[in-house]
Amino acid sequence: GAVVSQHPSRVICKSGTSVKIECRSLDFQATTMFWYRQFPKQSLMLMATSNEGSKATYEQGVEKDKFLINHASLTLSTLTVASAHPEDSSFYICSARAEPGTSGGFSSYNEQFFGPGTRLTVL
Amino acid sequence: QKEVEQNSGPLSVPEGAIASLNCTYSDRGSQSFFWYRQYSGKSPELIMFIYSNGDKEDGRFTAQLNKASQYVSLLIRDSQPSDSATYLCAVNMFETSGSARQLTFGSGTQLTVLP
Repeated sequence: GAVVSQHPSRVICKSGTSVKIECRSLDFQATTMFWYRQFPKQSLMLMATSNEGSKATYEQGVEKDKFLINHASLTLSTLTVASAHPEDSSFYICSARAEPGTSGGFSSYNEQFFGPGTRLTVL
Repeated sequence: QKEVEQNSGPLSVPEGAIASLNCTYSDRGSQSFFWYRQYSGKSPELIMFIYSNGDKEDGRFTAQLNKASQYVSLLIRDSQPSDSATYLCAVNMFETSGSARQLTFGSGTQLTVLP
């Protein structure tokens, strides 16, 4: 259990292109999903928290108009990088969390399970 | 002020030795604690979580929690070269409403196990 998928795994695009990344929880319902960014040799940086059916909560310094998050269902959240530029090149990782009792007793202490990540390179 | 502190390392241990990774946190209300392993170029993978004072063992891994001192540690026995990775400590605190906040991650400790 606790499988989270991300698609695509790697994107190379030209500057100005919008890029959409999908995050799916495959075997549990994720009431909350998180989007992180990680630059080389640096720690995870939380970008935003998304709850199913409501607007995402962005961390300070993260532009909500540039990083558009949609959490339309209990198993899918999407991050769209609008008009990507080379400085947006990074490793984008989503994670999913199930509230206790919502996935067959699977998650008791709100641990987060990470997707495999999407490596974005903007030329 | 950083909420979760880890020694960035690198920490090097010989194969077969015990690797000890430490983490301190500032929020005394924190209630659950997680250790993740991250290989270079990969996303984090959950190793263990702990929520009660004391030790919790899972195979070669032991998590130790001391809430009074606000530290949590991870011991890896019989370290293998395949254990070489960055280990992330993460802390979670519940809101008064009962819903959990997001995890706060430390910056990670890079472990190298020398063959």
